[in-house]
Amino acid sequence: NAGVTQTPKFQVLKTGQSMTLQCAQDMNHEYMSWYRQDPGMGLRLIHYSVGAGITDQGEVPNGYNVSRSTTEDFPLRLLSAAPSQTSVYFCASSPSFRQGSWGYTFGSGTRLTVV
Amino acid sequence: GESVGLHLPTLSVQEGDNSIINCAYSNSASDYFIWYKQESGKGPQFIIDIRSNMDKRQGQRVTVLLNKTVKHLSLQIAATQPGDSAVYFCAESSPFSSGSARQLTFGSGTQLTVLP
Repeated sequence: NAGVTQTPKFQVLKTGQSMTLQCAQDMNHEYMSWYRQDPGMGLRLIHYSVGAGITDQGEVPNGYNVSRSTTEDFPLRLLSAAPSQTSVYFCASSPSFRQGSWGYTFGSGTRLTVV
Repeated sequence: GESVGLHLPTLSVQEGDNSIINCAYSNSASDYFIWYKQESGKGPQFIIDIRSNMDKRQGQRVTVLLNKTVKHLSLQIAATQPGDSAVYFCAESSPFSSGSARQLTFGSGTQLTVLP
């Protein structure tokens, strides 16, 4: 199935633990991004990548790291989990302008709880 | 920073009626706007988009109106159905400085409930 695949769907962490949220897309999209969604709020951009080997910070990058070694994969790492990172995380991908039509495709999300 | 906001957090409509969801934006550099639908437990799903050189765009049962003078965006859903119940987000887009990607800023969402 074409699209954006996120794993895991649910995760509970203890404060201070680290983990990696996985994101993969099979649409050959150049652009990938990570958002977090908190209750009553819209999605906020954590990190984004405009291509393999290129990443940059979004609105709320603190406490998260990313890397983009391939076009397909864009993992998000929580270095030392904190309760404030309890949220639903969405990965999204889109083509660049050079690839033609532009629009975001979102994964189904990872619900993370930090206790 | 600039943000995208919604006028109403909740909206209830009778099945078969038309729904109108409003959105205000403040970034004058935004040149592309998208409406997303998010059902419970799922990721946002693209509904319709509009570029800043347009005032109106129609899709299947949905219409987006853009008023650049007052920085206002609306989503109209015709003959609202129970399956339309969801949270609707507007998002505005402007280019990143890199030029090849675009920044997307989301509003906080409106919960649409369709009553039987």
